Amino acid sequence: AQSVAQPEDQVNVAEGNPLTVKCTYSVSGNPYLFWYVQYPNRGLQFLLKYITGDNLVKGSYGFEAEFNKSQTSFHLKKPSALVSDSALYFCAVRPSPNDYKLSFGAGTTVTVRA
Amino acid sequence: NAGVTQTPKFQVLKTGQSMTLQCAQDMNHNSMYWYRQDPGMGLRLIYYSASEGTTDKGEVPNGYNVSRLNKREFSLRLESAAPSQTSVYFCASSDWQGADEQYFGPGTRLTVT
Repeated sequence: AQSVAQPEDQVNVAEGNPLTVKCTYSVSGNPYLFWYVQYPNRGLQFLLKYITGDNLVKGSYGFEAEFNKSQTSFHLKKPSALVSDSALYFCAVRPSPNDYKLSFGAGTTVTVRA
Repeated sequence: NAGVTQTPKFQVLKTGQSMTLQCAQDMNHNSMYWYRQDPGMGLRLIYYSASEGTTDKGEVPNGYNVSRLNKREFSLRLESAAPSQTSVYFCASSDWQGADEQYFGPGTRLTVT
């Protein structure tokens, strides 16, 4: 069973508009949630994580994500997208603190047009 | 501070050949991981090493072996390459499991013909 889903293969936005990349998870308990970004021909870079506490998490490059336990979602957001935000974004979940396995979504390609 | 380094960057193998992908980290991390990335499938864990001296299978271990040579180095070996192993391979490391994020290397693009 898939632990994390990214329902959109692609997201296209105009520069300056808000950007949202969706992620839902399907593990029980209190998972650890992560967002990573991958630029072309590069490895993944960590953006932000939710462990506990405030449901709104702020991360690198102006990104933030909101943890919603009732909807089992962890959507990534940026108020004003830049062309340089064009990349492949991955949501990932670690089901429990003692579980080494980090399950990744299939990824969402974000294209920001000038 | 180079972070996580991987060699080689590119490799082409014929079916049945063997090779070892090398990974090293200079962040003094305890845990290291090997993933493969295939289009539309995200990253899938092949093997991981929670700490020096231990290794465990991940989601897709068949056809691979690993060695945690020391705290810094974690290698992935393909004994008899198959076309299904054509992929991009990423090594990653983290301080401990759980809340710690993983740091990724630049990847190795492997083609098996």
